Amino acid sequence: QLQLQESGPGLVKPSETLSLNCSVSGASVTIHYWNWIRQPPGKGLEWIAYLHSSGNTNYNPSLKSRVTTSVDTSKNQFSLKLNSVTAADTAVYYCARYYDNAYDFWGQGTMVTVSS
Amino acid sequence: EIVLTQSPGTLSLSPGERATLSCRASQSVTSSDLAWYQQKPGQAPRLLIYGASSRATGIPDRFSGSGSGTDFTLTITRLEPEDFAVYYCQQRGGSPPVTFGQGTRLEI
Repeated sequence: QLQLQESGPGLVKPSETLSLNCSVSGASVTIHYWNWIRQPPGKGLEWIAYLHSSGNTNYNPSLKSRVTTSVDTSKNQFSLKLNSVTAADTAVYYCARYYDNAYDFWGQGTMVTVSS
Repeated sequence: EIVLTQSPGTLSLSPGERATLSCRASQSVTSSDLAWYQQKPGQAPRLLIYGASSRATGIPDRFSGSGSGTDFTLTITRLEPEDFAVYYCQQRGGSPPVTFGQGTRLEI
């Protein structure tokens, strides 16, 4: 059974860089497209990025200038970096697999608060 | 950007009733690229429907999806207590390539 688990700091200071990892078990990270999605408190879902181990990536234009992603095949995980964060970046961040034109497996989510 | 507008924002029903949730796209969406999710408080979204009308693994047959072009519907027949949650539609296409609707809250 595929499982995804996000990890990273729960608190980031304004103007600093948010860094998250998503560990994948039950499947190889070299297959499929992997995504980052976030959800501000009490609000809806916002797609951030998708990435593939081949290097194919795509970012939400609203975040593109601040987002970096990568895949670590040796650890079977992928990561997200979002720089110059503000309070507007406070959200639950999810990693998810995109398969058959939908997000079929999600991590449990990790809450990241941007505050000094 | 393809904007998905869900209606109603909140739907108040009782167990045993039928729920009809709407998702309207600002431009035509390929049916194969339309999905529905259920989210309960404190949980990640769960895939219900993909390809507009195919149920995901383990999803009860009281959930069904339909529609094409710009109008899509999620129907839940015979509501169970565990069905009260927030529902999102999602599409792939355009720029950004993935967008979600704002959600419909289904409450008792």
